[in-house]
Order: sequence, then C-alpha cells, then structure tokens
Amino acid sequence: QITLTQQAESLWISPGERVSITCRASQSLLYTDGKHYLSWYQQRPGQTTKALIYHASVRTDGVPTRFIGSGSGTEFTLSIEHVQPEDFAIYYCLQTLKSPYTFGAGTKLELK
Amino acid sequence: QVKLLQSGAALVKPGASVKMSCKASGYTFTDYWVSWVKQSHGKSLEWIGEIYPNSGATNFNEKFKGKATLTVDKSTSTAYMELSRLTSEDSAIYYCTRKRGYWYFDFWGPGTMVTVSS
Repeated sequence: QITLTQQAESLWISPGERVSITCRASQSLLYTDGKHYLSWYQQRPGQTTKALIYHASVRTDGVPTRFIGSGSGTEFTLSIEHVQPEDFAIYYCLQTLKSPYTFGAGTKLELK
Repeated sequence: QVKLLQSGAALVKPGASVKMSCKASGYTFTDYWVSWVKQSHGKSLEWIGEIYPNSGATNFNEKFKGKATLTVDKSTSTAYMELSRLTSEDSAIYYCTRKRGYWYFDFWGPGTMVTVSS
C-alpha cells in the first residue's frame, strides 16, 4: 500500500505567519489523467472534517485562498498564508490513487 | 445542502457486534460512493472500505475484511456499517464520507464513537 509521511507531528506558529505542511508519498500519486490523487483535510474539535484541497492544488468550494496546495509526484505541500485563529487544527493528507486509500499521520498546528 | 447524519455513540461488549448508520441528504444518494474511516483515540485516520449505493458494490481495505460489513438502504438514503467480533482495538470514532468521483472525500459525517468494554 502507499504510505504517506507527514514529517511534522506539530508545528508551532503565531497568527499572521505563513506555514507549510509537507506530505511525502512512497510512490508517485500521478494518474494517467495527468492529475495527482492527493487531497488535504482539516480537523477541528467539535466540527466535521473538512476537505480543503484535491488533485494536490485545487481548493474545494468555499475554502479561503490563503490555503494553497502544491507539489507533484511524491512530494506535496499545504501552505497557509497569514494563519488565522480558526486555522489551528490538525491537517491530514490522503491518497486515493490506489486502494487501500491511505492518510498521513497528521500535522497539528499549535499556537506559539 | 449535503449532510451525512450518523447514529449515536455505542458502548458494546467484547465479542459483540455493532451496526451504525449514516443517513445522507441533499444529494442523489445512489450517485456517490460512501466510504467509512476509522480514527482511534488520538491517532490518524484509516480507510475501512466503501460502497456504491446504486449497485451495492464494495471495496475494502484488506485489514478490515471480515471485520466490517457495508450495506445500504436506498429507500432511506442510509448507509450502514456493521463491525463484528469487537475487541478493544475497535474502540474508535467511525466516520462516513461521500467520495467525489475518484478524487477525494468531499463531505464527512460527525462520526460515531464506539467503545468496546465489558
């Protein structure tokens, strides 16, 4: 199965800063349609899990433009510019290229 | 708007089974795969399997074959997951999600907490 590695378990940042969360896959997530089957999710206490990015870089409806997905092949990044108080949460990457679909271990953004 | 309403928390004894539900609304239930995801306390997410309501076709993570059974009731737009022969390792929150095409899980339910304890 494809392993997704999110190196950082936690990142400590201050509101207004920029942060990048990385996700490395054990094999390329590029499909023959030219798209990467890598998506990002946000988990906040008391709220339903929210999809932020799919195909590595496409924001889902209503996601603020400060969330930016990038990367290709096996290396992917979720960047958040000008972090807002509501962005302190846990972020997961997910690959849906091959079954079983697999998630990264998660990266928690914490207030510095 | 799309909503996935999940059944409430369950406390079950070791060796027993539990069946949880996920009622969909706001979209055509039979058009989208429904996936189930496990989150053990303080840990990451594991994909259990998925079901296509229109046909009942399923795909499973090998790890959960024999543990999880997925079904749907098209008349009520409800997906079900039954977990059998429960142990403490099955104590977790279980989410149902809608899969958008082959791409990603665009909507998630709030989760059902299952606690296995005697």
